[in-house]
Amino acid sequence: ETGVTQTPRHLVMGMTNKKSLKCEQHLGHNAMYWYKQSAKKPLELMFVYSLEERVENNSVPSRFSPECPNSSHLFLHLHTLQPEDSALYLCASSQEGRSNEQFFGPGTRLTVL
Amino acid sequence: AQSVTQLDSQVPVFEEAPVELRCNYSSSVSVYLFWYVQYPNQGLQLLLKYLSGSTLVKGINGFEAEFNKSQTSFHLRKPSVHISDTAEYFCAVSDAGTYKYIFGTGTRLKVLA
Repeated sequence: ETGVTQTPRHLVMGMTNKKSLKCEQHLGHNAMYWYKQSAKKPLELMFVYSLEERVENNSVPSRFSPECPNSSHLFLHLHTLQPEDSALYLCASSQEGRSNEQFFGPGTRLTVL
Repeated sequence: AQSVTQLDSQVPVFEEAPVELRCNYSSSVSVYLFWYVQYPNQGLQLLLKYLSGSTLVKGINGFEAEFNKSQTSFHLRKPSVHISDTAEYFCAVSDAGTYKYIFGTGTRLKVLA
């Protein structure tokens, strides 16, 4: 595997379900990001982890819970979501100090019924 | 706060014609600028970036962009487009040295045969 991978690629869940999104980066980076991409809106930065510590939490509802067990893995735990949370969730990584260029995964298309 | 404007939500253009996708950002002392492309059902791929130095930046797939500090613009150009360039294009800006990207709302480029 190379670059940034995300699983699953597609997820359909009910409002009462609990699920997790997984992101893995194979680039040796030390920062990882979760973004939400909704139709007709700019990408929204949700969370940032730098050196496995959360450095950004953009007023994201508590039904989204991130976890970064090490510098290569990032999870987004989902619980009691709403239909308006349906979107493409993108993970990215970067190496701090190198222009912070971000490399993106293919995303998880989430549908909440 | 930093902001990015992509005025054109959709740009149709015939194959082999030139194209320009516009991007303007709010002023800042020092910024990094990026253009990303997103093909259907995929994540974002970096086309090119401006960090410093020459204001004309060349990227992948024959794209280039020019940084214009006085007009706070970073327009993307290609002299001759192909059908395969059909995709969504995102402009992003970050204050130099920070990890936080601000994205535009995207421009959908549709290349017509």
